[in-house]
Amino acid sequence: DTGVSQDPRHKITKRGQNVTFRCDPISEHNRLYWYRQTLGQGPEFLTYFQNEAQLEKSRLLSDRFSAERPKGSFSTLEIQRTEQGDSAMYLCASSLEPIGMAGHYEQYFGPGTRLTVT
Amino acid sequence: LAKTTQPISMDSYEGQEVNITCSHNNIATNDYITWYQQFPSQGPRFIIQGYKTKVTNEVASLFIPADRKSSTLSLPRVSLSDTAVYYCLVGVSGSARQLTFGSGTQLTVLP
Repeated sequence: DTGVSQDPRHKITKRGQNVTFRCDPISEHNRLYWYRQTLGQGPEFLTYFQNEAQLEKSRLLSDRFSAERPKGSFSTLEIQRTEQGDSAMYLCASSLEPIGMAGHYEQYFGPGTRLTVT
Repeated sequence: LAKTTQPISMDSYEGQEVNITCSHNNIATNDYITWYQQFPSQGPRFIIQGYKTKVTNEVASLFIPADRKSSTLSLPRVSLSDTAVYYCLVGVSGSARQLTFGSGTQLTVLP
């Protein structure tokens, strides 16, 4: 296993279309995160899973966004009715659940999916 | 929510030691401080993490004073390949909603 992979790497879509991205985490990692990053800014947290359970979502996350991790392995992020403001890099990260402590540590990021909405 | 402040950019020359400081005045008692590195068109890469005093690994050192209101990432003898954006992250011990990367510091290493 060479790390977190994401597919596709680039996606161009027309406004109003739906898009779906896939993330394959490091195999033994039970946590999976989705982030969005726009030019010149750091990654912005969207949501995270522990195994198949979606435990937290950003309060800023539109209801057009939905994420799944059906078997606790890969995850998909779907954006419905895309808008030009959705153009960004979508990053996936995975990590192990820390032992004996709460929180989120040492995440391993994938290369991202760059979405362009025209 | 522990907000962080970092310099927007820094320049250095090859072979020099680089120190990037991050201010986090509202850091919570249980919060750790984590630094990531990001190259263009790639996801961030974990560099180092600490809670207090000094942490060192094979690529960097992290200095955290007793009041923990700031931290300094130290990169020894930088090379051109260290040119990247560096992010300081705190609040990792709490809700995932607190995972705020900020704008980071663009480090440019010159020959």
